[in-house]
Amino acid sequence: GENVEQHPSTLSVQEGDSAVIKCTYSDSASNYFPWYKQELGKGPQLIIDIRSNVGEKKDQRIAVTLNKTAKHFSLHITETQPEDSAVYFCAASSGGSYIPTFGRGTSLIVHP
Amino acid sequence: SAVISQKPSRDICQRGTSLTIQCQVDSQVTMMFWYRQQPGQSLTLIATANQGSEATYESGFVIDKFPISRPNLTFSTLTVSNMSPEDSSIYLCSTPGQLYNEQFFGPGTRLTVL
Repeated sequence: GENVEQHPSTLSVQEGDSAVIKCTYSDSASNYFPWYKQELGKGPQLIIDIRSNVGEKKDQRIAVTLNKTAKHFSLHITETQPEDSAVYFCAASSGGSYIPTFGRGTSLIVHP
Repeated sequence: SAVISQKPSRDICQRGTSLTIQCQVDSQVTMMFWYRQQPGQSLTLIATANQGSEATYESGFVIDKFPISRPNLTFSTLTVSNMSPEDSSIYLCSTPGQLYNEQFFGPGTRLTVL
């Protein structure tokens, strides 16, 4: 089955800095890569996703990149703000499955 | 995206008791999923609940411990039976979106077992 590794487990940055979270996956059949943000006391919320026919996708301050050859994808947050503080999960799934495999999560702390 | 609510939002229970968690979706959905998120850990799928059929459980999870009901297309329950402190977790329900494979999660139920 699919295995998703996520690094780092904790990331601490100053407000205004950039943050990068990296994930690798093992199943070459995976073609959908979502990112979720989980704030304290809430369920995970989909913030951005990328499909295997695209190398990069951007939405305001967040961007995702995908390297299918190397089987890794990354989340980039620019101009971080304290409200970006949360746990971020990457995930991977293939077209035939509704069920993604999640990474272990990255706790992002943005210091004002 | 579907709006999902869960009850209770949190509970503290005694060892050996059972708790039933409710999940309500604001639209009809074919599939609903139940996840467990242990402290500081990722999301682990417990089972898939389909209306009109038995739930499908993932490896390591059994119906006797986590019975699931799915009486209609907008509602499901998960029961955590004969609880022990190891069952202390956040329990989340989710549904797939209409596009591709995205998942939409409820707010979670934070369970503490003493």
